[in-house]
Amino acid sequence: DAGITQSPRHKVTETGTPVTLRCHQTENHRYMYWYRQDPGHGLRLIHYSYGVKDTDKGEVSDGYSVSRSKTEDFLLTLESATSSQTSVYFCAISDEVGGLGVDEQYFGPGTRLTVT
Amino acid sequence: DQQVKQNSPSLSVQEGRISILNCDYTNSMFDYFLWYKKYPAEGPTFLISISSIKDKNEDGRFTVFLNKSAKHLSLHIVPSQPGDSAVYFCAAVDLSGGSNYKLTFGKGTLLTVNP
Repeated sequence: DAGITQSPRHKVTETGTPVTLRCHQTENHRYMYWYRQDPGHGLRLIHYSYGVKDTDKGEVSDGYSVSRSKTEDFLLTLESATSSQTSVYFCAISDEVGGLGVDEQYFGPGTRLTVT
Repeated sequence: DQQVKQNSPSLSVQEGRISILNCDYTNSMFDYFLWYKKYPAEGPTFLISISSIKDKNEDGRFTVFLNKSAKHLSLHIVPSQPGDSAVYFCAAVDLSGGSNYKLTFGKGTLLTVNP
């Protein structure tokens, strides 16, 4: 199994509070991703990183920010949590294979976030 | 605008029979496809992939077929086992244009294999 952990695994917070989720990898992979999974929507990309300090938006980035100051850590921040951000959040990592620039992504165990 | 579609939310099959999970895509720039399996309370795990230069890729009980003209791919599981019961996600990548590390996922299909 790829060395990828997420913390916390569960969190309940109130509307309007800031929340930071952490993803930590021990694989030295270049790419890191944050997804959310919601019923009827599958997995949707929030933000991703293609290197230290290099990040970009995914398809559902509004209300979220990210930071990557070290190869091994990728933080997802909800500046002011809303009930619509109640979801399961997955971090993933990948590396380059054969020059294609893509490899299968390895996912963390997920963080269940509830915003009340 | 859903670029990867899994139109069957669920599928139920008997143990030992074939499971066929389908996926359609609309973006003709997609040229690499992956299937992931997800058990409850766990992260998705990679299952099998296929490049657009192929029409079939096989790995043990799992085979993925790609029909580029129809923009359709399918995952065959033979024989199906109860441990295969999970949600299966189809994903696609456009390897050109510098965005070749972003996966676009379908909504998933819940497969139930009955003993």
